[in-house]
Amino acid sequence: EIVMTQSPATLSVSPGEGVTLSCRASQSVGSNLAWYQQKPGQVPRLLIYGSSTWAAGVPVRFRGSGSGTEFTLTISSLQSEDFAVYYCLQYDDWPLLSFGGGTKVEIK
Amino acid sequence: QEQLQESGPRLLKPSETLSLTCAVSDYSITSGYYWGWIRQSPGKGLQWIGSFYHGSFLQSRNTYYNPSLKSRLTISIDTSENQFSLKLTSVTAADTAVYYCMRGDPVIPVAGWGQGTLVIVSS
Repeated sequence: EIVMTQSPATLSVSPGEGVTLSCRASQSVGSNLAWYQQKPGQVPRLLIYGSSTWAAGVPVRFRGSGSGTEFTLTISSLQSEDFAVYYCLQYDDWPLLSFGGGTKVEIK
Repeated sequence: QEQLQESGPRLLKPSETLSLTCAVSDYSITSGYYWGWIRQSPGKGLQWIGSFYHGSFLQSRNTYYNPSLKSRLTISIDTSENQFSLKLTSVTAADTAVYYCMRGDPVIPVAGWGQGTLVIVSS
């Protein structure tokens, strides 16, 4: 089983600042990595797939990068609606999936 | 855009069997895509439970389970009703979670979600 580890668990950020979230895989997953955003009481929303491809309607301030075992999601200039929990998901072992534990981005 | 809707009992006692159904509308579950289940324990992260593919050819059909749940898990399909089901036996409090049904493919792993249903296991 591929284990995904996200860091940090929580980020405290002021609106307008940029942040970088990290996701590490226990073995190479190529570029088969997606990022999801989840707000309280809501279904997760796809942001990025294929490590760096934007899903439909996702603002360009969200940028995914990485390959192999190291991935990042960078959010430039955080907006109020960006405060949420972010999950990475590997699907290299398709259709077996594994999520990271999540990073909560909270208002400082 | 397809719609997915979970249904089933919301409160179980330990050792009982959790049974949920996902009704799919506006898309046939036999016309491609993978379908399955994901859960999220209260205040915790997401866990993939299992998925299936029910293609046109018998050889292309298969069901896949999370190894950590496999011994207790069955995913079944009702093509006549265009729905699929989850059965998880011998539940404990650790199985308390919001259960989502989902649709995905090898390019976008989870592209569609149900609204989720909270299942509580408590004596």
